Amino acid sequence: DAKTTQPPSMDCAEGRAANLPCNHSTISGNEYVYWYRQIHSQGPQYIIHGLKNNETNEMASLIITEDRKSSTLILPHATLRDTAVYYCIVRVRTNAGKSTFGDGTTLTVKP
Amino acid sequence: IAGITQAPTSQILAAGRRMTLRCTQDMRHNAMYWYRQDLGLGLRLIHYSNTAGTTGKGEVPDGYSVSRANTDDFPLTLASAVPSQTSVYFCASSVGAGQPQHFGDGTRLSIL
Repeated sequence: DAKTTQPPSMDCAEGRAANLPCNHSTISGNEYVYWYRQIHSQGPQYIIHGLKNNETNEMASLIITEDRKSSTLILPHATLRDTAVYYCIVRVRTNAGKSTFGDGTTLTVKP
Repeated sequence: IAGITQAPTSQILAAGRRMTLRCTQDMRHNAMYWYRQDLGLGLRLIHYSNTAGTTGKGEVPDGYSVSRANTDDFPLTLASAVPSQTSVYFCASSVGAGQPQHFGDGTRLSIL
């Protein structure tokens, strides 16, 4: 599986967009980019995923560069409840065993 | 409410004892997973199952075993617990291998 690199921490002002970067320069053609978040000590929550096109859902937008070597998760209007650890992972969709989470980015939304 | 149920929610266990963590899902998902999360770190995959009747080893399988006798249940067993297995254990499931995963609330396990 491709390894991902994320900044350990970021701050964002409440109401502003939070842009969380992820580097996955060794991603292969059949690997998807997934984002999850973990609020406090709860179980992780799925946010969004994509292969090569940009994706948007009710929670966030995912921007994947044309060469697929990096991506950005965008929370358009961050709230205090978005404070969490955000994990970017890349994985194939053929084998449940290929599922490794890194240490993620701790996003702190400040009033 | 559909989802994943893990039991127990927390446990203190003496070293050398055998322990089974239970995980049940009612979403008829094919794939299931067990992760451990040590304090301040990310999740590491212990074992997984692509579908009922099959299991596989993840990143940190030593000291753990699993079974998948049916679609709904995926128990994790520590045959002889050691203090380094103190961690929070999360069970997850997905419709199919590699699909978005749904997580349980975790089991907090302390081995003394």
